[in-house]
Order: sequence, then structure tokens, then C-alpha cells
Amino acid sequence: QSVLTQPPSASGTPGQRVTISCSGSSSNIGSNTVNWYQQLPGTAPKLLIYGNNQRPSGVPDRFSGSKSGTSASLAISGLQSEDEADYYCAAWDDSLIGLVFGGGTKLTVL
Amino acid sequence: QVQLQESGPGLVKPSETLSLTCSVSGGSISSYYWNWIRQPPGKGLEWIGYIYYSGSTHYNPSLKSRVTISADTSKNQFSLKLTSVTAADTAVYYCARGASLLHVPYFDYWGQGTLVTVSS
Repeated sequence: QSVLTQPPSASGTPGQRVTISCSGSSSNIGSNTVNWYQQLPGTAPKLLIYGNNQRPSGVPDRFSGSKSGTSASLAISGLQSEDEADYYCAAWDDSLIGLVFGGGTKLTVL
Repeated sequence: QVQLQESGPGLVKPSETLSLTCSVSGGSISSYYWNWIRQPPGKGLEWIGYIYYSGSTHYNPSLKSRVTISADTSKNQFSLKLTSVTAADTAVYYCARGASLLHVPYFDYWGQGTLVTVSS
């Protein structure tokens, strides 16, 4: 049972916009920034979003992050087949005093 | 370009100590946070802990009693030791560089990961 809750799966067709949610509490998302990672099959995770909505250099602007209260979302617009991957949210938890990940969402491009 | 590479035994016996090293190239470990993260087969990510460039460490509370992370700046490497391992510690272990924004670390460079199996 992960501290941050994500839907186990999501799907969309090419060109569509999809969103992935990440639900937490006042001790993690409610108090700290959220980061998102993309893990393509068989590879190491890659930083997608940091500080709720900041994109590292090289990440397409099709990817965007937002946060409201104790929840965060990752939006992917103009969905492409290469976006098929697992997506993880992460945040610092002030109660646990450690970094926690969501359980991950497997995105399928139909 | 910063690159990280994990190394160590791929098989560890139950009750023994798992030891891994992460070699960093393209940048010095004398800055940033240096992290270990693991992923059991078919499951999600779990943060193990970090060593800060100053030498201070912080561990996942659920693993704290069994984990030690250390660094060797002369070799530009940092290491993980996990004691008293069980089958539940079987996972792909990643090392990663951590930067921070508003005191929250995020991992901008990752190693490729190394699978460690705990079995007799």
C-alpha cells in the first residue's frame, strides 16, 4: 500500500490528452512539491516533472504537471505511442520523514 | 553528462549483507544528494536513502535499522550496505543523483540498475 495513491492503469489513443492523478495527504503533497517519473519498459526511470510543474531540459512540453491541495496530476497531450510507460509520482513526507512514491500508473496507448 | 553505474554481486544469501557501489562520471559527488532506490520485480519504486555531499545521511524509516550509505570522494563513488537480507529485498537497485527544490529531492540522473536476488 503506497502512501501516494495513483490509478493502476490509464489509456488513450494517439493524439488524445490523458491525465494521471496522484492523491496524498497534508503531510506530503499538501506540504511539499511533487515530482513525476517516466519508466519505459526495461529501463531506469527518467525525471519528467519536478517542483510540481517544472520540466527538465529535453522533456517535451506535451508533458505538464499541476498540484492542488493534497492531489497532483500529470497531463500528457498529443499522446504518442512512445509515451507507453509506467508513471510514478513522488513527494517528501513530513510525518514519515522520507521520500515516498506512488504505486505507479501503467499508461497504454491504444 | 553525468553518468552513474551500479556494481556488486547479483546474488546474496539470506541473512547476509547486500553491498553495492555506484560509480559516478562526468561530475563530482562533492555536491548534490546521492541516492539509492529499489524496485522489486513487477512492483513500484522505493526510496532507500541518500548521502549528502557534506556526508550527512538520511534513510527510509522502514529500512533505517539495516541500511548504511557511505561515500568515497577520492574514487567519486558511493555505496549501499543492507544487512540481514531476506527474499523481500530482491529487487533492481538504482543509484541516482538528487537535486532539490524547496528542500524536496528529485532524481535527475539515474544508473541503469542492477538486479540483486536474495536466495540460498
